[in-house]
Amino acid sequence: QVQLQESGPGLVKASETLSLTCTVSGGSISSYYWSWIRQPPGKGLEWIGYIYYSGTTNYNPSLKSRVTISVDTSKTQFSLKLSSVTAADTAVYYCAGNIVVAGSYYFDYWGPGTLVTVSS
Amino acid sequence: DIVMTQSPDSLAVSLGERATINCKSSQTVLYSPNNKNYLAWYQQKPGQPPKLLIYWASTRQSGVPGRFSGSGSGTDFTLTISSLQAEDVAVYYCQQYYSTLPLTFGGGTKVEIK
Repeated sequence: QVQLQESGPGLVKASETLSLTCTVSGGSISSYYWSWIRQPPGKGLEWIGYIYYSGTTNYNPSLKSRVTISVDTSKTQFSLKLSSVTAADTAVYYCAGNIVVAGSYYFDYWGPGTLVTVSS
Repeated sequence: DIVMTQSPDSLAVSLGERATINCKSSQTVLYSPNNKNYLAWYQQKPGQPPKLLIYWASTRQSGVPGRFSGSGSGTDFTLTISSLQAEDVAVYYCQQYYSTLPLTFGGGTKVEIK
């Protein structure tokens, strides 16, 4: 059973870069697409982007200029960097994974989430 | 972007009664070559990540109780809880994966006990 765990600072200053890591266990990192999804407090879900173990990425156009997702297969981790953050980036950040067959980009596995607050 | 619109925003249903949640996409999510609807449903309880319930619009994820069912095609979809249980109190989201630029979710529907 694949398990995911997010880690990283819970508080980031405005204009700085948010950095989170997701550690994958119980499954091969090379079998899945790995995504970051966020949820502002009391609001809905926003997909940020995904990465495949090969390094192929796809980002939400609304965030593309500020997002970088990378993967470290040796550590079975993938990471998110979001630059120039503002209060609007305050959210619970989830990492998620899915196997893609016939374009099946729905999310089977989720981490518990980590709240990141952007302070001024 | 494919915009996903859910209705209602919230509903209160008596235990044992049916709950119906609607999801409408701004363009079709039916891929004609394979006749599959690229639509998933999730359940999110307070303080927890979303849990996948339904994919391909009507296929239940392993372990999901049979009282949850998905239906619809093209642009209009429904999640039905046939007999609401106390543990079904949650927010439910639909998600389209027809287009990955970007993947998008509905705004959510909160289900409560009447």
